Amino acid sequence: QKEVEQNSGPLSVPEGAIASLNCTYSDRGSQSFFWYRQYSGKSPELIMSIYSNGDKEDGRFTAQLNKASQYVSLLIRDSQPSDSATYLCAAGGGGSSNTGKLIFGQGTTLQVKP
Amino acid sequence: DAGVIQSPRHEVTEMGQEVTLRCKPISGHNSLFWYRQTMMRGLELLIYFNNNVPIDDSGMPEDRFSAKMPNASFSTLKIQPSEPRDSAVYFCASSAGQGKYFGPGTRLTVT
Repeated sequence: QKEVEQNSGPLSVPEGAIASLNCTYSDRGSQSFFWYRQYSGKSPELIMSIYSNGDKEDGRFTAQLNKASQYVSLLIRDSQPSDSATYLCAAGGGGSSNTGKLIFGQGTTLQVKP
Repeated sequence: DAGVIQSPRHEVTEMGQEVTLRCKPISGHNSLFWYRQTMMRGLELLIYFNNNVPIDDSGMPEDRFSAKMPNASFSTLKIQPSEPRDSAVYFCASSAGQGKYFGPGTRLTVT
């Protein structure tokens, strides 16, 4: 059974702090990894993708991948109350196309307190 | 760009009834995915299509579920007969290779 594991939270951080969200995956064949943000009652929204070991930065977001440890993380710098949402980690098959099957984690709920 | 369009947005039906959910992917996207989300099981892939052809339906829970994609701009997910445990939010998503875009979802309640 291929799995993606996340701590359900809630993770509570003060406004302006760094939020760190973590994810592990069981399938060593996974090659593509994604972070989605889902506000309550809304659909998931892709915010980051990463395919190679190391860090990838996009604005206040940094995704980190360590394939040897089968570990993916998302850092949110200068957290804002508007970042309060559930963050879903997803792992996919080979290549960077994102056209194939994704396995999603259960999501981590982030609360940013003013 | 209108994004992925799903209908209906809400559906309430009685056990045993047939339910049909509809999806229009983003124009030009060649992959389409049907997901189901519940509190207990999270987001589960039911089936996905590439170029209108079903590629993987291993997530379809039982024979009561069926999906079709007759052309590049339309897909349906049918449940017949529906059961209370089918109550969930059903999302359709499309992709052209990079980035998977989700529709607003259909909230299904089976009483």
